[in-house]
Amino acid sequence: NAGVTQTPKFQVLKTGQSMTLQCAQDMNHNSMYWYRQDPGMGLRLIYYSASEGTTDKGEVPNGYNVSRLNKREFSLRLESAAPSQTSVYFCASSGTGTLNTEAFFGQGTRLTVV
Amino acid sequence: DQQVKQNSPSLSVQEGRISILNCDYTNSMFDYFLWYKKYPAEGPTFLISISSIKDKNEDGRFTVFLNKSAKHLSLHIVPSQPGDSAVYFCAASEPGAGSYQLTFGKGTKLSVIP
Repeated sequence: NAGVTQTPKFQVLKTGQSMTLQCAQDMNHNSMYWYRQDPGMGLRLIYYSASEGTTDKGEVPNGYNVSRLNKREFSLRLESAAPSQTSVYFCASSGTGTLNTEAFFGQGTRLTVV
Repeated sequence: DQQVKQNSPSLSVQEGRISILNCDYTNSMFDYFLWYKKYPAEGPTFLISISSIKDKNEDGRFTVFLNKSAKHLSLHIVPSQPGDSAVYFCAASEPGAGSYQLTFGKGTKLSVIP
């Protein structure tokens, strides 16, 4: 059972380049999330998708776009990368319902923008 | 303004002793609290959670205590083991429209000394 899979694991971009981070989950979860983690900081929510077909901004959405391609896949796009977007990006998914459920995280994508 | 605060960036404990990690929050709407453990170069993994209707939850060596009036929760690890050395994140969520967006603290790095 793979859980949450992110690609790529590492990426170096030049300022102004674009790229898409891919995320897929095989747990049949409705909700998916993108977080970023910076040194000395906790994880901050970029965007989330409560269910297939919906996306919403989180705490730090500027400079990013997302696509919920289907129930399994949720991608994060940087249209014009900036050095401030150097970070580790984590995708996560969670179930929904009357009981709270924990989020499961991928292994992360370490992005450096030079 | 940080809604979830982990005021101790690091903690060192002898193997076999108790580790106590603390977390404070400011948002009264939070109703579900989680602890995640993170090893270097890996994604966070869920450890234990507690709903606001409880004041204690145990899972093996891990116990989470919640004091709603003080807006404080703590994670107790007894006995501590070297494999527990990791960064621990406290997270909280509030009732939402079908998703469980998490607000994270900055983390506490636990070192268990053999």
